[in-house]
Amino acid sequence: AQSVTQLGSHVSVSEGALVLLRCNYSSSVPPYLFWYVQYPNQGLQLLLKYTSAATLVKGINGFEAEFKKSETSFHLTKPSAHMSDAAEYFCAVSDLPGANSKLTFGKGITLSVRP
Amino acid sequence: NAGVTQTPKFQVLKTGQSMTLQCAQDMNHNSMYWYRQDPGMGLRLIYYSASEGTTDKGEVPNGYNVSRLNKREFSLRLESAAPSQTSVYFCASRRATGTDTQYFGPGTRLTVL
Repeated sequence: AQSVTQLGSHVSVSEGALVLLRCNYSSSVPPYLFWYVQYPNQGLQLLLKYTSAATLVKGINGFEAEFKKSETSFHLTKPSAHMSDAAEYFCAVSDLPGANSKLTFGKGITLSVRP
Repeated sequence: NAGVTQTPKFQVLKTGQSMTLQCAQDMNHNSMYWYRQDPGMGLRLIYYSASEGTTDKGEVPNGYNVSRLNKREFSLRLESAAPSQTSVYFCASRRATGTDTQYFGPGTRLTVL
């Protein structure tokens, strides 16, 4: 069985500050890991994904995440927050590739950005 | 190219009423998914269809049925709605090769009174 833990439900940063959103996973097989963003009243949009290639993954809007197997972590970072980054962020883990692959999501973290 | 579309956007039901949520994708994807999103719970998988002609239960299937009508369309039915089914419902699709991405629709906000 696979699972994702996102500690805390809300993170608040000042505009221009570092964004760090934490994600830890549990998986019995080599994981595939994803970060999605959800803006208010919208669906989810992929930020980035790890699929066993480079451990440092760069995504859209200046976000990146580093896969650390020893820590079972896949934390999301952005050097400088922008007001438009305010949204809910979900980490997800996938079990297997192929047609029967399913995602398991964390509970999500709401990011607020203060002017 | 509209991606994943869902209808309706909003719906209010009374307890015991039935309804069908519609989902369609125009990306020629093989797999489709239904999730529900509740505050503090993340997204939970209700049902999925790995390919046309197949459907399987996810984490929270009770009270729901699905139909994979064709490759494009995947509907979710509530036969007798309950207040516990008040939620936001998302449909998603993916090509289903390797570790490709799931693409999400805009969601249906359902309230059951």
